Amino acid sequence: ILNVEQSPQSLHVQEGDSTNFTCSFPSSNFYALHWYRWETAKSPEALFVMTLNGDEKKKGRISATLNTKEGYSYLYIKGSQPEDSATYLCADDRGSTLGRLYFGRGTQLTVWP
Amino acid sequence: DVKVTQSSRYLVKRTGEKVFLECVQDMDHENMFWYRQDPGLGLRLIYFSYDVKMKEKGDIPEGYSVSREKKERFSLILESASTNQTSMYLCASSLLAGAGEQYFGPGTRLTVT
Repeated sequence: ILNVEQSPQSLHVQEGDSTNFTCSFPSSNFYALHWYRWETAKSPEALFVMTLNGDEKKKGRISATLNTKEGYSYLYIKGSQPEDSATYLCADDRGSTLGRLYFGRGTQLTVWP
Repeated sequence: DVKVTQSSRYLVKRTGEKVFLECVQDMDHENMFWYRQDPGLGLRLIYFSYDVKMKEKGDIPEGYSVSREKKERFSLILESASTNQTSMYLCASSLLAGAGEQYFGPGTRLTVT
């Protein structure tokens, strides 16, 4: 994998459903994997920054896991709410020492009440 | 809280005009970035800077230049605006390479007619 790939591109779920989506990234030269949430008419905001293989992070109903050896991360949302509707972006840094991130195209989540 | 501000939320310019987009951050971050966001293409990096007067090309630098004369300010310049530069422009800053999350401004929606 040369680029950061996210799937699915979009997702529509009902309120209360749990959902998950995937970020795949090159497993070589890895240092950190970032997840951002981007709500309509707002700025992207960082959810998690993950560096360790096997790491799991949690913020409320949202959690993420990381597998650096195979180059993927999962984002889970438990009991989705309409306010979770947003585009979720992941990015890796390819070991960059200049702070640059390589973003995927995002997963657009819509939660219907 | 980190604050990243951009000079305009909406901007309309004519083809051929020189356009300046300004970004200011108030947290003494070394790294600053300019992205554009277009439907279906995610965030694409135009230019970034890791220090005053230092700049690096991103993935789509053609038609753009940047200026960083002071640490807190990073300017994106469209030398001669064209209609294909109509887009949402986002500025971001970060403190550290790799594990340092990026903080985004509110975005400037530029329309070139």
